[in-house]
Parts: sequence; structure tokens; C-alpha cells
Amino acid sequence: AQRVTQPEKLLSVFKGAPVELKCNYSYSGSPELFWYVQYSRQRLQLLLRHISRESIKGFTADLNKGETSFHLKKPFAQEEDSAMYYCALAHNAGNMLTFGGGTRLMVKP
Amino acid sequence: EADIYQTPRYLVIGTGKKITLECSQTMGHDKMYWYQQDPGMELHLIHYSYGVNSTEKGDLSSESTVSRIRTEHFPLTLESARPSHTSQYLCASSESGRGLNTGELFFGEGSRLTVL
Repeated sequence: AQRVTQPEKLLSVFKGAPVELKCNYSYSGSPELFWYVQYSRQRLQLLLRHISRESIKGFTADLNKGETSFHLKKPFAQEEDSAMYYCALAHNAGNMLTFGGGTRLMVKP
Repeated sequence: EADIYQTPRYLVIGTGKKITLECSQTMGHDKMYWYQQDPGMELHLIHYSYGVNSTEKGDLSSESTVSRIRTEHFPLTLESARPSHTSQYLCASSESGRGLNTGELFFGEGSRLTVL
């Protein structure tokens, strides 16, 4: 069965500091991974997907199959990055998403 | 404007009542989903649908039921609510097919249910 683990419930950093939100997965098939974000009083929305290899709002994430990880990184955190971040794994031919427990990122001024 | 709507946003009811959480989307999407989320916890898929007259149970067992009579509408019903059903329920939709659109779910604002 597939599983997504985000070991940190809360991550607090100062503005300008690097940030890394950890995500580990277990899945027997070829993984497709995503990061979703929920800002205060907004809906859950897609931030980025590994297949696109894109950088969104300064965030990047690299799929490491050897370590079964998909950590989200940003070199210089901004206050507006404060939000809940969820790692997600697509399975069932891409038709279903399994989410991790989420990490709350707080960026202090 | 293309969007996904959930009503009610908040609902407080007594034990034993029947409730229906509404979800409608004007995105033109075939696939729709219901997730359950307790505060600070994971989102768990409880139901999904690939199209009209298609409904499947998700990873988390739920006493709720769903129907998909129209493409744009995917209501969730609890016949007899209990305190253990207290949670937030998120509805989502996505396009069919594969490719870069895979995995992009569009979420509603959620329905927060409290059963006393």
C-alpha cells in the first residue's frame, strides 16, 4: 500500500533562512509526487509536481528514488510562505492522491 | 466563473440527524473526490467518482454515501450522524486523462461538520 510521511508537523524559520520540508513515501510502482499548499483562509491548491521539474515561488523539489523522498526546498524563506504544506502521491493510474499529514511552515520576521 | 462549490461551509447538528453535504463544480471535470480531514491531520480519501453513475470507496472506510447523477454534482450523505463524524470534508475535482494534468486536484472551501 502507498504511504506518504511528513515527519515535521511544524517548521519555524526566520525570514531569509533556507527551508526544507521533508516528505518520504512508500510505493511499489513508479511514483508521481506533488506538493500542495494551503495559505491562511484559502483553499488547498497545487504548488508543484515532480514531473514538471519546475520552480514555483522559489520552491523546488527533487524526487530521490533511492531515499524515497521528495523534499521541498527554498533557499530564502519569505513571510508570505507561511502556510500548511502537504506532500501527495498519485496512484491508481494517477486517478487517486494519497496525502501526507502536512507540515505547518511559519516564517518569522 | 469555473469553480467548485461546497455547502454548507459550517454545520452543527445533533446525533441521529441525516445530513447531506453538497458539492458542485463548473470546471467541466469528470473526476470528483471527497476527502475527510481532522484538525492537524492527514487528508483521507473517502469517496471518488470517474463520471456519472460511477462511485467508489476510497482509502478510508466511511459510513457516508455518495451519488453522481450529474457530472457537476457529487453530494455526500450521512443517514444518521454521530459525534465520530465530526470533521472537515473537502470536495475536489480533476480532469480526466494522463500527462501533466495528472494529480492536479481543485479543491472546494470545505464543509466543517460538528455532530453534538
